[in-house]
Amino acid sequence: DSGVTQTPKHLITATGQRVTLRCSPRSGDLSVYWYQQSLDQGLQFLIQYYNGEERAKGNILERFSAQQFPDLHSELNLSSLELGDSALYFCASSGTKTNYGYTFGSGTRLTVV
Amino acid sequence: SQQGEEDPQALSIQEGENATMNCSYKTSINNLQWYRQNSGRGLVHLILIRSNEREKHSGRLRVTLDTSKKSSSLLITASRAADTASYFCATDKGRSGGSYIPTFGRGTSLIVHP
Repeated sequence: DSGVTQTPKHLITATGQRVTLRCSPRSGDLSVYWYQQSLDQGLQFLIQYYNGEERAKGNILERFSAQQFPDLHSELNLSSLELGDSALYFCASSGTKTNYGYTFGSGTRLTVV
Repeated sequence: SQQGEEDPQALSIQEGENATMNCSYKTSINNLQWYRQNSGRGLVHLILIRSNEREKHSGRLRVTLDTSKKSSSLLITASRAADTASYFCATDKGRSGGSYIPTFGRGTSLIVHP
């Protein structure tokens, strides 16, 4: 157990639907990062939150959004889902000193049918 | 394109042999990290090397960093079947809105045959 909890582990949904992925960071970590991993694109950075505020944006589609709550857990919302959104979605957390690496959750496997 | 690119894409060796993976990156970095990912699982942090360090060891892992060539290598000595996994390098791409964003390559898939 890495200390970063992601739910659900698996999600199967139809095109056009909306889903919410949840992440609880390791205790004490203020930063949460979301990544999408697919076979053709590798591990793509989506978005980062730090202590409730958006800090950085990567290759995140407009159909996707995220937020970080006061208790520091984060949610990634994916809407108008397309087949190409099928992927593993990871969240990672880090403390204020990123020189100690990032802790990843076990991921949510999203399948859009 | 990815900031870090691992080479080779795939590596197949026998148990007991050493495995060497390389990572090249494009821009200056604060630090470089190596991660391991078992199939379908989350990434596990292995080792971090700072830009002012040239070599670092952790158990059977040895990482080198050559900032002049913008490259790093990960050596796994005396490999075991349990080392079978994908290995990724990640660099702190640079500040974006005040944050260093870890940027990953596509990984090296290592298979260690018993």
